[in-house]
Amino acid sequence: NAGVTQTPKFQVLKTGQSMTLQCAQDMNHEYMSWYRQDPGMGLRLIHYSVGAGITDQGEVPNGYNVSRSTTEDFPLRLLSAAPSQTSVYFCASSYSGRLGDTQYFGPGTRLTVL
Amino acid sequence: DAKTTQPNSMESNEEEPVHLPCNHSTISGTDYIHWYRQLPSQGPEYVIHGLTSNVNNRMASLAIAEDRKSSTLILHRATLRDAAVYYCILRDPVGSNYKLTFGKGTLLTVNP
Repeated sequence: NAGVTQTPKFQVLKTGQSMTLQCAQDMNHEYMSWYRQDPGMGLRLIHYSVGAGITDQGEVPNGYNVSRSTTEDFPLRLLSAAPSQTSVYFCASSYSGRLGDTQYFGPGTRLTVL
Repeated sequence: DAKTTQPNSMESNEEEPVHLPCNHSTISGTDYIHWYRQLPSQGPEYVIHGLTSNVNNRMASLAIAEDRKSSTLILHRATLRDAAVYYCILRDPVGSNYKLTFGKGTLLTVNP
């Protein structure tokens, strides 16, 4: 298994540009989520999904869209990039998202918005 | 979400045991205690979790105080690869149990 994969690893955008961060998992996990991590801080939840066709907002959803058309993929879209969105983005998945499930994280995408 | 308090940083020597403390004085009776760690330039990885009893796995041990207001992650023999930020997280099975609420964690430095 490849586990959780994310592309690209690095990205530089200009203010106002849009882009999609890709996340895929091959473990047949129902639950997937996106976090951002700013320097010196813990991770904050952006959006999550409990299955194909179902998504919900986390604590910092503004400026981001998600969709879940398949079990494997959970892309994160930045609609109009802003410097405040400069961060490291992590995708995670688990079997169900329930309490005892281990969450598996991808290697991250480092995004810089100029 | 109940809050956790961890030291900002700790240091250890290679092949010595490490005890990473976590205070959670407002923990509720149904909160599970989870530990994740984040190696440099990587995503977090699961370490261990427990409710009331001490827990052991191949990576670490978790010692939970009798009143559950604190816990300690124990690495029995630290290696250089254990240098990471360690996060102590409470998860409530009654509330929103999808989210992992990360604090700033403890930065563990392991000296050779």
